[in-house]
Amino acid sequence: AQTVTQSQPEMSVQEAETVTLSCTYDTSESDYYLFWYKQPPSRQMILVIRQEAYKQQNATENRFSVNFQKAAKSFSLKISDSQLGDAAMYFCAYRSGGGGSNYKLTFGKGTLLTVNP
Amino acid sequence: ETGVTQSPTHLIKTRGQQVTLRCSSQSGHNTVSWYQQALGQGPQFIFQYYREEENGRGNFPPRFSGLQFPNYSSELNVNALELDDSALYLCASSFGTGPGPQHFGDGTRLSIL
Repeated sequence: AQTVTQSQPEMSVQEAETVTLSCTYDTSESDYYLFWYKQPPSRQMILVIRQEAYKQQNATENRFSVNFQKAAKSFSLKISDSQLGDAAMYFCAYRSGGGGSNYKLTFGKGTLLTVNP
Repeated sequence: ETGVTQSPTHLIKTRGQQVTLRCSSQSGHNTVSWYQQALGQGPQFIFQYYREEENGRGNFPPRFSGLQFPNYSSELNVNALELDDSALYLCASSFGTGPGPQHFGDGTRLSIL
């Protein structure tokens, strides 16, 4: 079974600074997808960024980028120019990409990000 | 485009009771997945429905059951409620069963007394 580990329960960053959230995962599969989701106090889980394992290039979405190290099974999220609205719980998630009937997301325990003005 | 909507937003039940939670999928989506998120934890997969059939199930007992309707909306039913069932229940919709993005609703907060 796949597992996702987020070793930082809490992180804080100053507004306009850069912060990196860590995620490692364990899998025996070669085809999979990795995600970062953001969950503000409003509770809705919002997709931040997605990475396909077969792609060498790291995904980027505006101020959000990832450092995907497939051999090390590491998938960190970098937030540049942090804004107050980035404050939330961030979850790393894994999803199988192969055939089959189950495309569930497996989540880590989350990292609570605080942005200080 | 209508997003994923869940009802009710908050529910209080007592042990042994039964509960039904509802989810309307995003327009154009035909797959619904349900997750349980205990306090301070990441969401855990309960099951997925595709075209009105269960399409995969996580490690949850049979008292957790579901339905999907022809309009792709879905229900999560939990029988014989236990204190540990207190959690945020999240519904996510997507198109097909491929690895496309899942779009989440705001969740239903279930409290068991």
